[in-house]
Amino acid sequence: SQQGEEDPQALSIQEGENATMNCSYKTSINNLQWYRQNSGRGLVHLILIRSNEREKHSGRLRVTLDTSKKSSSLLITASRAADTASYFCATDPQGGSEKLVFGKGMKLTVNP
Amino acid sequence: KAGVTQTPRYLIKTRGQQVTLSCSPISGHRSVSWYQQTPGQGLQFLFEYFSETQRNKGNFPGRFSGRQFSNSRSEMNVSTLELGDSALYLCASSLLTGGNEKLFFGSGTQLSVL
Repeated sequence: SQQGEEDPQALSIQEGENATMNCSYKTSINNLQWYRQNSGRGLVHLILIRSNEREKHSGRLRVTLDTSKKSSSLLITASRAADTASYFCATDPQGGSEKLVFGKGMKLTVNP
Repeated sequence: KAGVTQTPRYLIKTRGQQVTLSCSPISGHRSVSWYQQTPGQGLQFLFEYFSETQRNKGNFPGRFSGRQFSNSRSEMNVSTLELGDSALYLCASSLLTGGNEKLFFGSGTQLSVL
């Protein structure tokens, strides 16, 4: 079952610009995570934010979480061509029977 | 530390056949989860194993099964393959089960059913 939904589904920007991706989900969560996937390969974990946290930073990544709106955003600053990938939000639902529930993903293209 | 290893990388089968996919987690990780990824449905959770026991199961038919061995390596089996089973099958490991765990993914097995 899909819980997270990323928005927009695709984004194309120039190198050096910032990229913002949004994620909405439906149920109460323990945490929300963001992953990156390069072209049919495995997913790579980027950042985890717990339900009692509102903002977290990791390098060029900034993630926010608003549990009242059941939404999260991922900001990538000063984007690089190497950031071109699909990005997924994943939720760890409270009392859920699934390990993590992933959204359908968002394709980011960073043009050099 | 070696990452999560999935074999084979690519597999071509015909309808009605069965297939077994293998996953070796990161050393020390005891939880292994399996996901099916398709362009239409995205990532769908199949099941999670921890200490040789299935802890959680997704909404897939009984044709999809799995197991975990004492060394934490895991296999999943799909019997009576259907065209719709064509997908990228991803395995992920984590140290424990429970909350606030990040997953480490393998590169996946790309299964094509003809």
